[in-house]
Amino acid sequence: GQQLNQSPQSMFIQEGEDVSMNCTSSSIFNTWLWYKQDPGEGPVLLIALYKAGELTSNGRLTAQFGITRKDSFLNISASIPSDVGIYFCAGRLTGANSKLTFGKGITLSVRP
Amino acid sequence: GAVVSQHPSRVICKSGTSVKIECRSLDFQATTMFWYRQFPKKSLMLMATSNEGSKATYEQGVEKDKFLINHASLTLSTLTVTSAHPEDSSFYICSARGGRAEGYTFGSGTRLTVV
Repeated sequence: GQQLNQSPQSMFIQEGEDVSMNCTSSSIFNTWLWYKQDPGEGPVLLIALYKAGELTSNGRLTAQFGITRKDSFLNISASIPSDVGIYFCAGRLTGANSKLTFGKGITLSVRP
Repeated sequence: GAVVSQHPSRVICKSGTSVKIECRSLDFQATTMFWYRQFPKKSLMLMATSNEGSKATYEQGVEKDKFLINHASLTLSTLTVTSAHPEDSSFYICSARGGRAEGYTFGSGTRLTVV
């Protein structure tokens, strides 16, 4: 099935650094979602975006819905060790039973 | 709000047996639930969409007779892996739609190991 493009597969940063992750698609989505997954757990919603151009923050996290509706980015500022995990972007079209389309995820490692 | 409970978190079963995984929405009514499968270091692969009171819609390539889904109430969906085979070993995650506007709340997953 269709997937969103997330790269690189892994990122390694130093504690305190900022990091930005991008997600692109060949198709338009009406909603963009960013999730974090810890090992052995289900994904947890970080930020949801509903309008093209929308910029939303959640603590140290900031995400934007691209103007073209084909991309989104997530920025984490002043990283801390507990930011370690897999970050997935997901896109959704409007509809009663709209499915989520997931990216492959980026594994973030934070060096203390 | 919007809590989804998935049980069991881990299960080991013998080849040929069946395993049932439960997904419950604890504080909201979930008209739609989704079942995913995730391989190590891979993304979530949607298996099927279940709507309360109706038959599940399976994604292409997913065997409906092997992965039985029942969504008998607005708070419970079950996935039964029938005649389990070692290649069915995986991490299964459910998601429920309802509650907050963002919709999709995930369970904590079930690690299935078939020996």
